[in-house]
Amino acid sequence: QKEVEQDPGPLSVPEGAIVSLNCTYSNSAFQYFMWYRQYSRKGPELLMYTYSSGNKEDGRFTAQVDKSSKYISLFIRDSQPSDSATYLCAMSPLQGAQKLVFGQGTRLTINP
Amino acid sequence: DAGITQSPRYKITETGRQVTLMCHQTWSHSYMFWYRQDLGHGLRLIYYSAAADITDKGEVPDGYVVSRSKTENFPLTLESATRSQTSVYFCASSSSVTPNQPQHFGDGTRLSIL
Repeated sequence: QKEVEQDPGPLSVPEGAIVSLNCTYSNSAFQYFMWYRQYSRKGPELLMYTYSSGNKEDGRFTAQVDKSSKYISLFIRDSQPSDSATYLCAMSPLQGAQKLVFGQGTRLTINP
Repeated sequence: DAGITQSPRYKITETGRQVTLMCHQTWSHSYMFWYRQDLGHGLRLIYYSAAADITDKGEVPDGYVVSRSKTENFPLTLESATRSQTSVYFCASSSSVTPNQPQHFGDGTRLSIL
């Protein structure tokens, strides 16, 4: 079983919809939680990160971490066609934080 | 221009051959990483380096060799390529290993081994 599970999709929604992306994990040592966005034929870029539990908001994006359920989410409000990309969750423990463990990514398409 | 560059962008080779993927960053970041990305597996860490002359294994190091004689360069060598090493390879760098200093990724090398 993988340490981090992420539904690969693909997920297709209309423009303006609220998008929910999720990951589950099994390693209780994970303390850093990140979301990366990857456009086609490009490298991933960090979108948001959280430390331990809680919520974090940045514009149209909200990241949530529920450590009791080992479940993290990324919400995108008022989705735009430019949000079409693959979204990867990543996480790491406090000790050994350089060893990110990624989910397999969810491919998202926002239809105009 | 400042940034992280990978070369070549595309490579086709045959099984048994040696191939080296190059990675160069201009930020003087201490940490550098090599990942491979495959369908169904996401990104998996191959090797990483905390500084020049310091390297360590990641999740999938078998069949790969790295070196880091200069801070800005981190080449990845497949000593005897196998078909299972067909993948997209990403190099990344960061100034530290906390998320507020994120890993910056290159645009990848698509490697096909026939």
